[in-house]
Amino acid sequence: QAVLTQPSSLSASPGASASLTCSLRSGINVGTYKIYWYQQKSGSLPRYLLRYKSDSDKQQDSGLPSRFSASTDASANAGILLISGLQSEDEADYYCVIWHNNAWVFGGGTKLTVL
Amino acid sequence: EVQLVESGGGLVQPGGSLRLSCAASGFTFSDSWMAWVRQAPGKGLEWVANIKKDGSEEYYADSVKGRFTISRDNVKNSLFLQMNSLRAEDTAVYHCAKDTSGALDYWGQGILVTVSS
Repeated sequence: QAVLTQPSSLSASPGASASLTCSLRSGINVGTYKIYWYQQKSGSLPRYLLRYKSDSDKQQDSGLPSRFSASTDASANAGILLISGLQSEDEADYYCVIWHNNAWVFGGGTKLTVL
Repeated sequence: EVQLVESGGGLVQPGGSLRLSCAASGFTFSDSWMAWVRQAPGKGLEWVANIKKDGSEEYYADSVKGRFTISRDNVKNSLFLQMNSLRAEDTAVYHCAKDTSGALDYWGQGILVTVSS
């Protein structure tokens, strides 16, 4: 089982909200990790968005719209990237990342389609 | 302005070697952890290795451990990736990235490495 699992795709309408999940493998407690989120638009470089461990331990890249936020769901053992007020420019691949066992582990990515 | 420019990629046969370089500018290189991240064609991002500011610590993905070596020259503001025993599955665009407290906040444009006979 992969360390981080993300849905391969997600579709949402402009103006709606999208919740992108990043599930941690059983035995890896989401509460003990900082989860980093990256966005990669088609043909572009990845962009760091934000990191989240808790409401008191979070950070986001300067210039990132407030429409982007993160949280965790302890019951699901998952990190969540929430994008509200979806815009066409939010269409991209989104990756979650954690530092686990002395290695950066990337999730497989979620392709977000805004239509 | 932060700039990261990779070089040294190309076509290599399976079992061969390549050395990638990344020229850094626009920030204090010796104050930054650095990383290599790769992306196979049409696939997701995969972290390869990273190195501490002074080069005293290195970490590797299991997929490259024992074959790849990351290094840096803080005088020349350069990052390197020595890749040996290359396999077809190493074919990817390789990016160097600046690591700020765990966030890869700047990325180079990347350099293509193709492993094929």
